[in-house]
Amino acid sequence: AQSVTQPDIHITVSEGASLELRCNYSYGATPYLFWYVQSPGQGLQLLLKYFSGDTLVQGIKGFEAEFKRSQSSFNLRKPSVHWSDAAEYFCAVGALYNAGNMLTFGGGTRLMVKP
Amino acid sequence: ETGVTQTPRHLVMGMTNKKSLKCEQHLGHNAMYWYKQSAKKPLELMFVYNFKEQTENNSVPSRFSPECPNSSHLFLHLHTLQPEDSALYLCASSQDTGGLQYFGPGTRLTVL
Repeated sequence: AQSVTQPDIHITVSEGASLELRCNYSYGATPYLFWYVQSPGQGLQLLLKYFSGDTLVQGIKGFEAEFKRSQSSFNLRKPSVHWSDAAEYFCAVGALYNAGNMLTFGGGTRLMVKP
Repeated sequence: ETGVTQTPRHLVMGMTNKKSLKCEQHLGHNAMYWYKQSAKKPLELMFVYNFKEQTENNSVPSRFSPECPNSSHLFLHLHTLQPEDSALYLCASSQDTGGLQYFGPGTRLTVL
């Protein structure tokens, strides 16, 4: 069974500092990986996705993530955090076009940004 | 994001009430999903519908009853809920089952 672990429940960074959110997955085949962001009281918004090809993927709002198969990781990064980035971030693994396999989400990392 | 809408946004109900959550997607997708998001727990997939047919039911109690009258609308009928059912209920849709999922804003449900 697939699983996703986000080791950090809470992270606080200063505005303008760099950010890295960790995600580790367990999956029996080539994974499809996603990062979603959820602002307070809102649904989930897709930040970026990895299907295949270049292991460094660019997303919206200046975020990027790197797929490292050897480490089973898909960490999210941003070089300079803005106060508006404060939200909860979810990593997910899934298989596309396979009716028997759906998205499995990690527990989320809540990001707080200090002025 | 207005592709997936959910109503109501907030709902407070007693354990003996019957209520329904509504989800509508304007993206032309064929698959729709209900998720439950509880405090301190990962998102839990509840139901999946593809072309109006239920394809997944993740051992959800019968007090939750989904209905999908067409590919654009999805309902979650609630009756005799428990306080532990209080959560954010998220709807999502995708072009087909397992495809990229787009989420609605959720309904915050409180069961008294």
